[in-house]
Amino acid sequence: DAGVIQSPRHEVTEMGQEVTLRCKPISGHNSLFWYRQTMMRGLELLIYFNNNVPIDDSGMPEDRFSAKMPNASFSTLKIQPSEPRDSAVYFCASRPRTGNGYTFGSGTRLTVV
Amino acid sequence: AQRVTQPEKLLSVFKGAPVELKCNYSYSGSPELFWYVQYSRQRLQLLLRHISRESIKGFTADLNKGETSFHLKKPFAQEEDSAMYYCALSGSSASGSRLTFGEGTQLTVNP
Repeated sequence: DAGVIQSPRHEVTEMGQEVTLRCKPISGHNSLFWYRQTMMRGLELLIYFNNNVPIDDSGMPEDRFSAKMPNASFSTLKIQPSEPRDSAVYFCASRPRTGNGYTFGSGTRLTVV
Repeated sequence: AQRVTQPEKLLSVFKGAPVELKCNYSYSGSPELFWYVQYSRQRLQLLLRHISRESIKGFTADLNKGETSFHLKKPFAQEEDSAMYYCALSGSSASGSRLTFGEGTQLTVNP
């Protein structure tokens, strides 16, 4: 199993540009989570999906952030327009239906200049 | 609401010394507690789950429901233990469960 796969690993973009982060969860896992990690705020849950349905998006900071999960094997997190304060590492994690084995991807390091 | 508190942002010990990373939680039901470790610029890796009651890399953690704590301990720290450690809590609901993290503790083991 390749684990949770995120792309790109690094992204540098200019303020105002659209950014799309991608995640492929582990096959068979039915829950998917997007986290943001910063020095100041640690790990923050942005949104999570259960069976491709968004369950809790209360952590999404602003309307500039949106997330989709069109099928069980793919999710995107989009920021439009991006701002320098969005610079962080964004992690995706997935979890199976039974048990609590959350598995994290390698993260996407986003830098907005 | 579920909440996890790690009171120490930084912890420094010498090699061979005992180490304890503190974690307290609040949750109205029966939570699942975890410890995750993140080595420099790498992904978070599961270190321990309280339900498995196992020891990984010499680390142990006991869930104390009376004190709502899940402290991580190791009797003899090693330099390779230097990393960021996150305590996390998973609640349960019919629509799935979220994993809530503490603020993290940066452990440095000095030679």
